[in-house]
Amino acid sequence: NAGVMQNPRHLVRRRGQEARLRCSPMKGHSHVYWYRQLPEEGLKFMVYLQKENIIDESGMPKERFSAEFPKEGPSILRIQQVVRGDSAAYFCASSPGTGLGANVLTFGAGSRLTVL
Amino acid sequence: GENVEQHPSTLSVQEGDSAVIKCTYSDSASNYFPWYKQELGKRPQLIIDIRSNVGEKKDQRIAVTLNKTAKHFSLHITETQPEDSAVYFCAARKQGGKLIFGQGTELSVKP
Repeated sequence: NAGVMQNPRHLVRRRGQEARLRCSPMKGHSHVYWYRQLPEEGLKFMVYLQKENIIDESGMPKERFSAEFPKEGPSILRIQQVVRGDSAAYFCASSPGTGLGANVLTFGAGSRLTVL
Repeated sequence: GENVEQHPSTLSVQEGDSAVIKCTYSDSASNYFPWYKQELGKRPQLIIDIRSNVGEKKDQRIAVTLNKTAKHFSLHITETQPEDSAVYFCAARKQGGKLIFGQGTELSVKP
């Protein structure tokens, strides 16, 4: 089991460009979560998704940010027209959603976005 | 809304001493309380968790206690070692809900 896979691990964008971060959950996991972590700060919840369904997006900024988890393929966190304040580490996590361990989140290695 | 408060923000102990980190949560419906350890530049990793039907859980040098009435839970690390140095995050979640993290505690174990 490869665990939660995130790519790219590092992404550099200029202001105004778009950033796309991808997350493949662990095998057998149907729930995906995205968190943002600024340097020396905590993990801020952004969005919680199931396949083809957004469960909770209360942590997502209202503009420029969107997330999806299609029926096939990885979950995508998309940031349009990036600004310097978007520079952060973006962590994806997944959980089974049901059964024993339903609540247990396993994290990926993160994608570090730098906006120049 | 849901909130998790964590204290202290930094903690320095001598090798072999114990370390205690405390958290409080606001949503009384929360029923799952994990603790994660994050080393510099790495991903958060689950070290122990507790569910609301249990008051205490222990795994070798690590233990967690939960007081549902006070909405308070704590992490205890005994016989600390330099490799325990990291940032520790508590978190809380209700059934079907999102996992909310505390602000983190930077633990430094001095040899």
